[in-house]
Amino acid sequence: GAGVSQSPSNKVTEKGKDVELRCDPISGHTALYWYRQSLGQGLEFLIYFQGNSAPDKSGLPSDRFSAERTGGSVSTLTIQRTQQEDSAVYLCASSLREGGYEQYFGPGTRLTVT
Amino acid sequence: EDQVTQSPEALRLQEGESSSLNCSYTVSGLRGLFWYRQDPGKGPEFLFTLYSAGEEKEKERLKATLTKKESFLHITAPKPEDSATYLCAVAPYNAGNMLTFGGGTRLMVKP
Repeated sequence: GAGVSQSPSNKVTEKGKDVELRCDPISGHTALYWYRQSLGQGLEFLIYFQGNSAPDKSGLPSDRFSAERTGGSVSTLTIQRTQQEDSAVYLCASSLREGGYEQYFGPGTRLTVT
Repeated sequence: EDQVTQSPEALRLQEGESSSLNCSYTVSGLRGLFWYRQDPGKGPEFLFTLYSAGEEKEKERLKATLTKKESFLHITAPKPEDSATYLCAVAPYNAGNMLTFGGGTRLMVKP
């Protein structure tokens, strides 16, 4: 079946602009996660959605970052007033249910802020 | 604080030369430990989940084991196509549903 898809695959933006990154999880997966992978660093958790519950935003690095999930499926990560340190690969993952179960990752969006 | 440390950072092997990758972890309570493979320019690909000490999982040339403090990914007779970065992650009980990842081991298998 179809895996997690993300768009765009690459995004180059100027410092100060806003960007939106999209994630389509695997059909039937109720949990959705966003991570960030910076050069030379490991994957860093950003935010988690589970069903209709309030999202876990504990990993968002600043209030310039926000995310929403519509209809329990597609999610959008928005970064406002981008900075050069936001340059990274943004990865989305989904899992069948919450609680330590395997997460399946999309191919990522490579964001470059110039 | 939950921590995951992987070693070595990089490993060069000749084709057929078996070896092991290490993942040491410190968590207040382990819900699960995960191994992923990541190829350049791609997202991590799920390999294994281990839940309790003593558990082992196998897939082709890979075998993952778990103790109370660490996990090993054993690679038997590797082939060049096994070259990738291998990531270890833990799901602690007290951290909601996020995974805490190690820095990864970059494996290069020469023919």
